[in-house]
Amino acid sequence: AQKITQTQPGMFVQEKEAVTLDCTYDTSDPSYGLFWYKQPSSGEMIFLIYQGSYDQQNATEGRYSLNFQKARKSANLVISASQLGDSAMYFCAMRDQAGTALIFGKGTTLSVSS
Amino acid sequence: DGGITQSPKYLFRKEGQNVTLSCEQNLNHDAMYWYRQDPGQGLRLIYYSQIVNDFQKGDIAEGYSVSREKKESFPLTVTSAQKNPTAFYLCASSIRGERNGYTFGSGTRLTVV
Repeated sequence: AQKITQTQPGMFVQEKEAVTLDCTYDTSDPSYGLFWYKQPSSGEMIFLIYQGSYDQQNATEGRYSLNFQKARKSANLVISASQLGDSAMYFCAMRDQAGTALIFGKGTTLSVSS
Repeated sequence: DGGITQSPKYLFRKEGQNVTLSCEQNLNHDAMYWYRQDPGQGLRLIYYSQIVNDFQKGDIAEGYSVSREKKESFPLTVTSAQKNPTAFYLCASSIRGERNGYTFGSGTRLTVV
């Protein structure tokens, strides 16, 4: 069965520092997609970045990049130059084998301090 | 602007009552989803629909029901059979395509009183 594992319940970082949020996944499907979402305290889910299993390069979107290590089945999110507004819950997700829905990890709470 | 609207934002239910959570989108997305979020549990899939008049159960469908009579609307009913309904409920939609993520609504927080 497919599974997403986020082992860091909470992470703490100072402004302007970089931070890596870990995500490992388990799937037997050779074709899959990985997503990261941000959930501020208001509750809405904000899409950050996508990585396809066949993509040749690691995905980047502004200050967000994805450290994709296919052999290790990891897709860690790297946030460069953290800002106070980055404080939120972050979820890693993967499309299920049928390609019909996303399955989510349990999330990591990031706290950025000044 | 296009988006997904969930209402109400907060909902209180007495035990034994059914309640319906609204989800409307004007993004012309084919697929819609309902997730439940509990503290420390991440998001768990309740139901999803890829086309009008068709929907499938997710991982935790027991005690819930849905309908998809219009492309824009995907209401979720929390029935009295749901033993622990207090949670944050998120509706989402997407267009077909592997690279496309979801657009989420702002959520409904349901509390049983």
